[in-house]
Amino acid sequence: DGGITQSPKYLFRKEGQNVTLSCEQNLNHDAMYWYRQDPGQGLRLIYYSQIVNDFQKGDIAEGYSVSREKKESFPLTVTSAQKNPTAFYLCASSTGTGAGGEKLFFGSGTQLSVL
Amino acid sequence: AQSVTQLDSQVPVFEEAPVELRCNYSSSVSVYLFWYVQYPNQGLQLLLKYLSGSTLVKGINGFEAEFNKSQTSFHLRKPSVHISDTAEYFCAVTSRSYNTDKLIFGTGTRLQVFP
Repeated sequence: DGGITQSPKYLFRKEGQNVTLSCEQNLNHDAMYWYRQDPGQGLRLIYYSQIVNDFQKGDIAEGYSVSREKKESFPLTVTSAQKNPTAFYLCASSTGTGAGGEKLFFGSGTQLSVL
Repeated sequence: AQSVTQLDSQVPVFEEAPVELRCNYSSSVSVYLFWYVQYPNQGLQLLLKYLSGSTLVKGINGFEAEFNKSQTSFHLRKPSVHISDTAEYFCAVTSRSYNTDKLIFGTGTRLQVFP
């Protein structure tokens, strides 16, 4: 079945540690996105990529980094510079035709907590 | 810049009652509008979207929404809800001029359906 796979489902971070969240899609989509979800704040865009080897900052990119070396993969690293990393992280993809208005396909999320 | 306001953080209703979830947006340019649903511990699924044409949009699971340009609103409605409709609902917007599919989300409305 085609879809988006996020792993792990739960992740714990120690003080000063970098952690990487995995996102893989087999939908042959060009565009991929990372959102952060906090209770009462909805979803906020961290980074997005419209094509391999290119990505742009979203609204809350500080303390995060990404790479897009392959079309199907868009990993997110939460660095030690992110002082409040506890949140639910959602990865999404779309066809990215460039016309806009396409629906986003979402993974099932990763819950990151600080030890 | 775009923004989305969901006026109600929680909406409790009884089964088989009608429901309306309110969404207002702010934008200086033309927009595309979306409603997504999130069941517990899952990603988001598209309910419906407005791109152009008829202002009344029908979606999955019996939901519909009406685009009102003069009131900058895109309220979601269902004439008779079921227990299974209990979930969080997000309104989202993207600018037609962006030529990307990245979305700006509202803070969400939790719909709780009681028997």
